[in-house]
Amino acid sequence: GENVEQHPSTLSVQEGDSAVIKCTYSDSASNYFPWYKQELGKRPQLIIDIRSNVGEKKDQRIAVTLNKTAKHFSLHITETQPEDSAVYFCAAIRGGLTGGGNKLTFGTGTQLKVEL
Amino acid sequence: DTEVTQTPKHLVMGMTNKKSLKCEQHMGHRAMYWYKQKAKKPPELMFVYSYEKLSINESVPSRFSPECPNSSLLNLHLHALQPEDSALYLCASSQEGGLSPLHFGNGTRLTVT
Repeated sequence: GENVEQHPSTLSVQEGDSAVIKCTYSDSASNYFPWYKQELGKRPQLIIDIRSNVGEKKDQRIAVTLNKTAKHFSLHITETQPEDSAVYFCAAIRGGLTGGGNKLTFGTGTQLKVEL
Repeated sequence: DTEVTQTPKHLVMGMTNKKSLKCEQHMGHRAMYWYKQKAKKPPELMFVYSYEKLSINESVPSRFSPECPNSSLLNLHLHALQPEDSALYLCASSQEGGLSPLHFGNGTRLTVT
């Protein structure tokens, strides 16, 4: 099955700095990679996703890059703000199959702390 | 606002109790999921329903019993739980057969005493 590794487990940055979280996956057939943000006591929320036919995707201060050859993908947050403080989970899936739902494999999570 | 609603928000139950968690979505999604999440850990998949049929059971103990009465509803029946079952139980839904994300509900915080 798929295995997703995520680093670092904790990350502290100063407000305004950039933050980068990296994930690697094992199944070369994985083709969809969402990122979730989970604030304390709340649900995981999708913040950005990327499909395997795309190398980079950007949404305002958030970007995700994908290197299929190396089987790794990264989340980049620029101009960090205190409200970016949360746990971030990467995930991978071999999607597009009919039946059975989408069995995401999550990374272990990164606790991001943005300090004033 | 979440498009996947879960009730109750909090639940405290004894080891001999029977209770149910409920989940509802109105996004027309045909895949629904139950996840268990311990503090500071990623969500762990428990069950997947696809078109109202159980498609994945991740070797979950029989004291957890899922039910999908229709395409919008998902229940998780609990019986004879153990203290280590205390966790956040998340329901999610997604489109079926596509490269689509899971949409999570706010979860039920379960405490087993």
